[in-house]
Amino acid sequence: AQSVTQLDSQVPVFEEAPVELRCNYSSSVSVYLFWYVQYPNQGLQLLLKYLSGSTLVKGINGFEAEFNKSQTSFHLRKPSVHISDTAEYFCAVSPFTGGGNKLTFGTGTQLKVEL
Amino acid sequence: NAGVTQTPKFQVLKTGQSMTLQCAQDMNHNSMYWYRQDPGMGLRLIYYSASEGTTDKGEVPNGYNVSRLNKREFSLRLESAAPSQTSVYFCATLFSRGTNQPQHFGDGTRLSIL
Repeated sequence: AQSVTQLDSQVPVFEEAPVELRCNYSSSVSVYLFWYVQYPNQGLQLLLKYLSGSTLVKGINGFEAEFNKSQTSFHLRKPSVHISDTAEYFCAVSPFTGGGNKLTFGTGTQLKVEL
Repeated sequence: NAGVTQTPKFQVLKTGQSMTLQCAQDMNHNSMYWYRQDPGMGLRLIYYSASEGTTDKGEVPNGYNVSRLNKREFSLRLESAAPSQTSVYFCATLFSRGTNQPQHFGDGTRLSIL
């Protein structure tokens, strides 16, 4: 079984400041890692994913994340945020094999960008 | 999200009523999923269908039934709605098992049960 922990339920930040959203996971098997973004009244959109290879993954809208196997973390970062980045962000994992590609989600982090 | 269509977008029910949430996809994906989203709890898997003709329970299946009508459609049924089922329901699809592709989500159905 897998579990995902997003310690920060809300992160306020000023526009053009950097931001880091934290994600830690637990799994007895190897997993793929994902970050999704949800804008108000919409479904989830994929920001980026880590499958294998380089531990630094770049995604859409200037976001990037770094996979740290020893710390079982997959933190999301952006060097300079924009008002339009205000949304809820979900970290998720999926096992390499078996399990029907089921995603296990964290509880989400609400990013609020202020002027 | 043009690929995954959920209907209705909003619904209010009374306790004990039944209803079916519909999900249809035009991406020729094999796997389909139903999640519920509750504040502070993220998304939790209710049921999924790895391929046409198969369905399996997820993390929170109690009180729900599903039907994989064909490759395109995957419906979620509440036989006797309860206030605890007030939530936002999302349908998602995936091309194929064993791949590392992400799931694609619909825009959700917001369900309130009084």
